[in-house]
Parts: sequence; C-alpha cells; structure tokens
Amino acid sequence: GAGVSQSPSNKVTEKGKDVELRCDPISGHTALYWYRQSLGQGLEFLIYFQGNSAPDKSGLPSDRFSAERTGGSVSTLTIQRTQQEDSAVYLCASSPPTGKNSPLHFGNGTRLTVT
Amino acid sequence: QQQVKQSPQSLIVQKGGISIINCAYENTAFDYFPWYQQFPGKGPALLIAIRPDVSEKKEGRFTISFNKSAKQFSLHIMDSQPGDSATYFCAARGGGYNKLIFGAGTRLAVHP
Repeated sequence: GAGVSQSPSNKVTEKGKDVELRCDPISGHTALYWYRQSLGQGLEFLIYFQGNSAPDKSGLPSDRFSAERTGGSVSTLTIQRTQQEDSAVYLCASSPPTGKNSPLHFGNGTRLTVT
Repeated sequence: QQQVKQSPQSLIVQKGGISIINCAYENTAFDYFPWYQQFPGKGPALLIAIRPDVSEKKEGRFTISFNKSAKQFSLHIMDSQPGDSATYFCAARGGGYNKLIFGAGTRLAVHP
C-alpha cells in the first residue's frame, strides 16, 4: 500500500519568504507527527496530532512555525518569514490507532534550503 | 530529562564484524525503546523495539540489550553487511509523552 507522502521533496526559498510543506499520511492512521532533521543531527520533534485531540505543539521552535491537519488526514506545516537556520529536512510520520507503541511510518521528507 | 544520548556518532566496521551502538536515557517513565534505520534520502524505518520488562530482544542479526538499572540500551548488529550501512537512531517514549524522543544518530559504514 501507499506510504506516507510528502511534498515537495525539495524546496529552495529566499530568506523571509513563507513556505508550506504537505504531508499525506497512510490512510486510517490517526496519529501524525512532524520532525525536523538538521544536517548530521538527530530528529527534533515539532508537533503531534492525534485524532480530534488538541495537538501537542511543544516542539515548535518559534511562532513562525505552525501546522494544521484538515479532516484528520492531510497536514500542512507552515514556516513564515523563513530564516537560514530553518534549513533542514522536515519529516512527517503517521501511526495507526492500534496502541501507544504503534510504529511510526515516516515519509521521505522535504529538504528545505533557505538562501 | 527528556534527552536520549547516543554514541558513537559514527562507526566503521568490517564485513562480518559486530556493530554496537549505545544509548542512555534519564526519564525512568520511558517504557518503549525502538531503534530506527535510515538510508540516505529516505525516512527512518522501525528496525526493532523493546520494552523494559525484558533484558534482550533478538530479531535475526539485530539484538537490543536493555539495562534498566543503568538506564541504558544498545543495538548489536551481528555479522554486519555492507547493506547495513545506514544511520541508526535510538528513541524512547513514555511517561505520558506520546512523542518519540530520538538520539542524535549513528552513521554506520560496513566495509567489504
């Protein structure tokens, strides 16, 4: 079956511009996560959506970052007024509603470069 | 308390050798410890996971060893192969936190 799909796969933007990154989770997965992976670094948690519950936004690094999940499916991560330090790979993951230790299924990420 | 510390940062192993990657955590409420494998240009994928009620879990050539008292766990890759060359992440979750906390990753290179 189809995995987690992220678009675009690559995005180059100028400093100060806004960008939108899209994530299509696996059908039926109720949990959706955004992580950020900087060059040579680990995976930094950004935000978590679970069903109709309020999202866990505790990992968003600044108020320039926001995310929404429409209809419990597709999610969009928006970065306003991008800065060079925002350059990273943004990874989306989803997991099924079979228990709290359900594995995360990651997409291949969006590589964002801010020039 | 939310950190997971992973070492080494990079590892070179000869084909057929044993690769060992270590992780340590502080939050005793963590109750789920997975390892993820990531190939270049791809997202991480679950490799193997363990809960703290067991000290070891083995799947094929991959083994997790867990030391609850020391708050440490490690991944052993037996008979390492060039195809195992990837970045490996340990992670932890629990204590009411739904998100996985990842280590910084280990870049493994297995030379033929």
